[in-house]
Amino acid sequence: GAGVSQSPSNKVTEKGKDVELRCDPISGHTALYWYRQSLGQGLEFLIYFQGNSAPDKSGLPSDRFSAERTGGSVSTLTIQRTQQEDSAVYLCASSLWAVGEGNQPQHFGDGTRLSIL
Amino acid sequence: AQKITQTQPGMFVQEKEAVTLDCTYDTSDQSYGLFWYKQPSSGEMIFLIYQGSYDEQNATEGRYSLNFQKARKSANLVISASQLGDSAMYFCAIESWGKLQFGAGTQVVVTP
Repeated sequence: GAGVSQSPSNKVTEKGKDVELRCDPISGHTALYWYRQSLGQGLEFLIYFQGNSAPDKSGLPSDRFSAERTGGSVSTLTIQRTQQEDSAVYLCASSLWAVGEGNQPQHFGDGTRLSIL
Repeated sequence: AQKITQTQPGMFVQEKEAVTLDCTYDTSDQSYGLFWYKQPSSGEMIFLIYQGSYDEQNATEGRYSLNFQKARKSANLVISASQLGDSAMYFCAIESWGKLQFGAGTQVVVTP
């Protein structure tokens, strides 16, 4: 399809394991974002990539979280040594937006539901 | 720092009636964007409408309109002629320098 694609849709893992979540943005979108949605914290910004600039990592909750975007397209969010509080829905979004070029809506994928046992 | 406040945790509205969802914000940025998203029970986040801080006219998009009062820092969403399919969680968000900060959301239930 033409939308943002995330995989897996669901992931169950044991506490202490590492997980990788994948996001394939809409073709041609220069900006890519990761958010987390949990019952206690609502929707939280994690990180965003804009073109070839250094990513804004200001929302990452700890150094166990990292993300990369290869070739300006697909992104992977990695959580190391998972904890139970990491359980949430991880949402990826992409947009045409770039600083100084006006606001464009962020289009979201269906998310990855992560459950840490 | 920015803050978005949605004071209505839940609302019931009758089909075909209009409903207003409140959103107030706090920001020190001169330029920002305000967005409304809809999240049905299936979970996807659907973009509804956008208002730029420098836009002089209120945004409209089909049955959705945004009542933007910059001096009061409010950006209320109006849904006209509600439909059963409008039942969902609605989030207001403020954007600045790439990041969306969301409010807690308002759960809307449309009844026949």
